[in-house]
Amino acid sequence: EAQVTQNPRYLITVTGKKLTVTCSQNMNHEYMSWYRQDPGLGLRQIYYSMNVEVTDKGDVPEGYKVSRKEKRNFPLILESPSPNQTSLYFCASSWIGTDSLYEQYFGPGTRLTVT
Amino acid sequence: DQQVKQNSPSLSVQEGRISILNCDYTNSMFDYFLWYKKYPAEGPTFLISISSIKDKNEDGRFTVFLNKSAKHLSLHIVPSQPGDSAVYFCAASSFSSNTGKLIFGQGTTLQVKP
Repeated sequence: EAQVTQNPRYLITVTGKKLTVTCSQNMNHEYMSWYRQDPGLGLRQIYYSMNVEVTDKGDVPEGYKVSRKEKRNFPLILESPSPNQTSLYFCASSWIGTDSLYEQYFGPGTRLTVT
Repeated sequence: DQQVKQNSPSLSVQEGRISILNCDYTNSMFDYFLWYKKYPAEGPTFLISISSIKDKNEDGRFTVFLNKSAKHLSLHIVPSQPGDSAVYFCAASSFSSNTGKLIFGQGTTLQVKP
């Protein structure tokens, strides 16, 4: 089954404790991206990657890191989480093509709470 | 500054009737628009899209209309079904950026009553 998986689905942590949210896709997509969803703001892009070893900042990259060592995986790293990073996070992937780049497949989401 | 706005947080319609969800944008560089649908505890799924060279795109019960002069798009669902109850996000992009970045609206929760 074609899918984007994220782990963990739920996480409660404390300020400053490093964490990683994993994202994996099995569709051989070149493009992967991370979004966060906050009430009243919709989804906002954090980082994206056009291919292995190619990453770039989105609209809200502060406090986050990513890496793309393999095509299928795109982990999101919070080196020192803060309460303002409490949010619902989505990973997405797609093929790179004129329209397909924007018709993205989303993972189920990770609900993160930082206390 | 919200570049894509969905001003109606919620909409309730009767099964079999038309649902109309609206979306406004401010950036004239946007040239590709999409609607995503989201059920609780799931990620958004792509529903339908439209390029700025068109003013209408239809896919089964779903039709998206684009009015570039008004910077407005709408999603029509006819007939509405209870299974359509979900949050609908409008999204916009710019092909020239080639970043895959989608700018999302805040979402509209659609409830279709049996």
